[in-house]
Amino acid sequence: EIVLTQSPGTLSLSPGERATLSCRASQSVSSNYLAWYQQKPGQAPRLLIYGASSRATGIPDRFSGSGSGTDFTLTISRLEPEDFAVYYCQQYGSSPYTFGQGTKLEIK
Amino acid sequence: QVQLVESGGGVVQPGGSLRLSCEASGFTFNRFGMHWVRQAPGKGLEWVAFIRYDGNNKYYADSVKGRFTISSDNSKNMLFLQMNSLRPEDTAVYFCAKDSIDWSSYGYYSDYWGQGTLVTVSS
Repeated sequence: EIVLTQSPGTLSLSPGERATLSCRASQSVSSNYLAWYQQKPGQAPRLLIYGASSRATGIPDRFSGSGSGTDFTLTISRLEPEDFAVYYCQQYGSSPYTFGQGTKLEIK
Repeated sequence: QVQLVESGGGVVQPGGSLRLSCEASGFTFNRFGMHWVRQAPGKGLEWVAFIRYDGNNKYYADSVKGRFTISSDNSKNMLFLQMNSLRPEDTAVYFCAKDSIDWSSYGYYSDYWGQGTLVTVSS
């Protein structure tokens, strides 16, 4: 089983700042099959990024993904008020399709 | 538009059983695999199970293997999760999620999610 470790656990930033979230895998993720989701309280997760770097339909270009192998990054270039939420990475290169434990992005 | 509506959650005693359902609409159900993902109160997401578009391949998390069974009825656009031998640690909101790639034997990322149904395992 691939274990995904996200850091930091909590990130405190202000609107307009840049956010960098990390997701590290315990072994290489096949074909860079790594996705990022955003979840707000009481809501279902929302797909942001797939294939490590491809934006999902309708996702603003301030969201970008990068990385390969075992190290992946989600970057939000200029935080908007609606971006404060919890972010999860998920690998789908091999079953079980594990999630990271999440990074909470909070307003400073 | 794609809609996924879960039902069947509730309170059950440890050792009991429950069957969750997910009604799908807005896409050609028999072309896509489906996932169940759960979230314990105040915790993160945990992938639970995947079923191939035709029901012939199924994958499970180790934590539920042998106790949970994923199935689907393509004639009714329905996904199910039969949960047996339930434990307190199975308490969670259970989401059904549509896989993104059609005709695939394996799971990929999920592009649409339901709102979830709460399962509480408690005596």
